[in-house]
Amino acid sequence: GNSVTQMEGPVTLSEEAFLTINCTYTATGYPSLFWYVQYPGEGLQLLLKATKADDKGSNKGFEATYRKETTSFHLEKGSVQVSDSAVYFCALMRSQGNLIFGKGTKLSVKP
Amino acid sequence: NAGVTQTPKFRVLKTGQSMTLLCAQDMNHEYMYWYRQDPGMGLRLIHYSVGEGTTAKGEVPDGYNVSRLKKQNFLLGLESAAPSQTSVYFCASSYSREQQPQHFGDGTRLSIL
Repeated sequence: GNSVTQMEGPVTLSEEAFLTINCTYTATGYPSLFWYVQYPGEGLQLLLKATKADDKGSNKGFEATYRKETTSFHLEKGSVQVSDSAVYFCALMRSQGNLIFGKGTKLSVKP
Repeated sequence: NAGVTQTPKFRVLKTGQSMTLLCAQDMNHEYMYWYRQDPGMGLRLIHYSVGEGTTAKGEVPDGYNVSRLKKQNFLLGLESAAPSQTSVYFCASSYSREQQPQHFGDGTRLSIL
């Protein structure tokens, strides 16, 4: 079946450090892939997406590339800020339109 | 410009009590979803709807019922609450299956004692 595996947290970084959060998936075919972010006390917000192989999604300095060879969609940012502290979820879209989420990775950025 | 609104935001119930969570969207979206979020589990789909008058089961439907009598509303019901249903519940909507992102509400924190 469909599943998403992302690296366990929490991840603690200093401001301006490089961020990578790994995400791999198992699915039939080539599903659309997403990264969502959840700030404390809030709902999920779409951060970026990619709908086909080799697509690169990007937003707010974050990037992720759809790699079908490695079934991966790793999230990266070159220089994190304190305001990036949140929980990040990798997700894929099933044929019915609903999302399958990873368990989430909590990121804490220290000044 | 409300988007997806969930009511209530917080609730404490006793085991065996019933309640209904309301989700309302003002974007004329066809698809609506109910997820639950538990620590270390990510979000899991409970039920979803692909249009007014339709509902379907998700990954974890047991103990819940839903209704979509009006296009803008999607209700999640707990007939006899159990402590295992203590969770944060999120509603989401999207215009179509292909169109993402799903718009999420701010969540309902539900505790069952």
